[in-house]
Amino acid sequence: NAGVTQTPKFQVLKTGQSMTLQCAQDMNHEYMSWYRQDPGMGLRLIHYSVGAGITDQGEVPNGYNVSRSTTEDFPLRLLSAAPSQTSVYFCASSYGAASGYTFGSGTRLTVV
Amino acid sequence: TQLLEQSPQFLSIQEGENLTVYCNSSSVFSSLQWYRQEPGEGPVLLVTVVTGGEVKKLKRLTFQFGDARKDSSLHITAAQPGDTGLYLCAGVSFRAQKLVFGQGTRLTINP
Repeated sequence: NAGVTQTPKFQVLKTGQSMTLQCAQDMNHEYMSWYRQDPGMGLRLIHYSVGAGITDQGEVPNGYNVSRSTTEDFPLRLLSAAPSQTSVYFCASSYGAASGYTFGSGTRLTVV
Repeated sequence: TQLLEQSPQFLSIQEGENLTVYCNSSSVFSSLQWYRQEPGEGPVLLVTVVTGGEVKKLKRLTFQFGDARKDSSLHITAAQPGDTGLYLCAGVSFRAQKLVFGQGTRLTINP
């Protein structure tokens, strides 16, 4: 049982480049979310989804896009990378928001 | 915006001592969750509390949800070095089915 799989684990981007962080889960969870974690801070919610075809903004959505075409996948797109987006990104999934989430191991992104 | 305030942000104590971490908000939550995170890994769920006044125990860890569903606490008895880590509380509101986190409590247990 793979759980939540994030790729890549590490990435370095130049300012202005775009890229997609991949997230896949094999637990048939309806709820999926993307978070970023900066040093000394907790996790901040970027975007979330309560099912295929449904997405909504979290606390810090600017500069990021998401889509949810299947239950399994929830990719996060950085449109034009900025140094302020240097962070560790976590994807998570759950049966329901109140059920508790399973997290991936994270993607460490550096924008130079 | 729902804000979850955790205190203290940093705590360093000796093995065998007891400690309590607090998670407070002005908002009402349908659920409060506690996670623990090790360096280089994602958070791992410890417990979910959903009923006001609810108390859950997980070995030496005791979790409580406030009667008004606005706050929670995590109490560790006889702390051990293996308890060292980042402890995060997170809440789900009644209106929006999203999980938001507090800033975390970094706990260090010294042998």
